[in-house]
Amino acid sequence: DVKVTQSSRYLVKRTGEKVFLECVQDMDHENMFWYRQDPGLGLRLIYFSYDVKMKEKGDIPEGYSVSREKKERFSLILESASTNQTSMYLCASSEGIETQYFGPGTRLLVL
Amino acid sequence: GDSVTQMEGPVTLSEEAFLTINCTYTATGYPSLFWYVQYPGEGLQLLLKATKADDKGSNKGFEATYRKETTSFHLEKGSVQVSDSAVYFCALRYASKIIFGSGTRLSIRP
Repeated sequence: DVKVTQSSRYLVKRTGEKVFLECVQDMDHENMFWYRQDPGLGLRLIYFSYDVKMKEKGDIPEGYSVSREKKERFSLILESASTNQTSMYLCASSEGIETQYFGPGTRLLVL
Repeated sequence: GDSVTQMEGPVTLSEEAFLTINCTYTATGYPSLFWYVQYPGEGLQLLLKATKADDKGSNKGFEATYRKETTSFHLEKGSVQVSDSAVYFCALRYASKIIFGSGTRLSIRP
């Protein structure tokens, strides 16, 4: 089975802090994705990556950056956390461009 | 642009009831269509998919048929169980990205 793990299930940070969310997949997938999930808005794509050191902006990249130094790991960085970044963050990976495998999510609260 | 619209929840049903969750899409060309499910405390997982018109995806008693003429991909199940309580997301593949609907929360009463 594909396994996608995220470093934390719950995280509480203060406004202005730099926040790192880590995602690791164990299936040697080329593609990795970061989404945020908010009530009534579904999932919105923040960034994705098709290969090591490659990244593409999604629909809502503002206030975020990403890093993919190794194939299995995709990190989401909040350079200076703000309260409007309080959300559930979901990481996913895929081999092709259709079926994505999701991690359990990180619920981030920014105070 | 391409988009997915699904019925708002929450939807509450009794066990063994018939379920329909409506989903319609707007897309150029012929997208692949998906239903994902998110159980409490977990990430999303693929429930079923259909890649062309008139295809029927099915899994775990759920079904959805790709209707090009009505641009719909409604999710159905003949007899729901308490364990089906979850959030259901309709989605389509557009180019290299998947576009998700806003999700429908389903609660099943024993």
